[in-house]
Amino acid sequence: DTAVSQTPKYLVTQMGNDKSIKCEQNLGHDTMYWYKQDSKKFLKIMFSYNNKELIINETVPNRFSPKSPDKAHLNLHINSLELGDSAVYFCASSQAGGGQETQYFGPGTRLLVL
Amino acid sequence: GQNIDQPTEMTATEGAIVQINCTYQTSGFNGLFWYQQHAGEAPTFLSYNVLDGLEEKGRFSSFLSRSKGYSYLLLKELQMKDSASYLCAVYNFNKFYFGSGTKLNVKP
Repeated sequence: DTAVSQTPKYLVTQMGNDKSIKCEQNLGHDTMYWYKQDSKKFLKIMFSYNNKELIINETVPNRFSPKSPDKAHLNLHINSLELGDSAVYFCASSQAGGGQETQYFGPGTRLLVL
Repeated sequence: GQNIDQPTEMTATEGAIVQINCTYQTSGFNGLFWYQQHAGEAPTFLSYNVLDGLEEKGRFSSFLSRSKGYSYLLLKELQMKDSASYLCAVYNFNKFYFGSGTKLNVKP
């Protein structure tokens, strides 16, 4: 059973297009995250949601808009894609509170902007 | 700002022991995590330290010194499948700050 799933796994698109990435977790976790991993392998947090509420919004261009319809889903919509958006985007989830915030990652979405 | 440093790359021999260091300077601290990431795959959880000392988990151990802002991951009896990147992450007020990872090459 997949714990954290993302679609699509690969996304190749032209500059200027709008695209969405979907994430779902079946772990019953309260918190979900979006990360961007660039070519240098730096994993950088973009957004975090807790029970459908935005709790972290790092310095990310407004072209990136997360949406959480329920606590099991966190989607990422990107407008006007740019070359620099090419990266691997990972969704993750964790159970908030208790101190041991182990994150479980999805398989990643490899975005290539041409 | 948040600063987490790890060596970029290390090489070790199958069956040996390797220690991967991580130093951090963050505005707060609620725990330190180690993740393993094979090429082209998602990071997977290895260990968690919130108090000073050594946590042992099979062939993997992780050490933390909060006063020194220092942690290490110790891998014993290295296997070829341990070739991967190892990411150090500091948890602080709902955020995870990741280092750039240490790529470990295990050779026969």
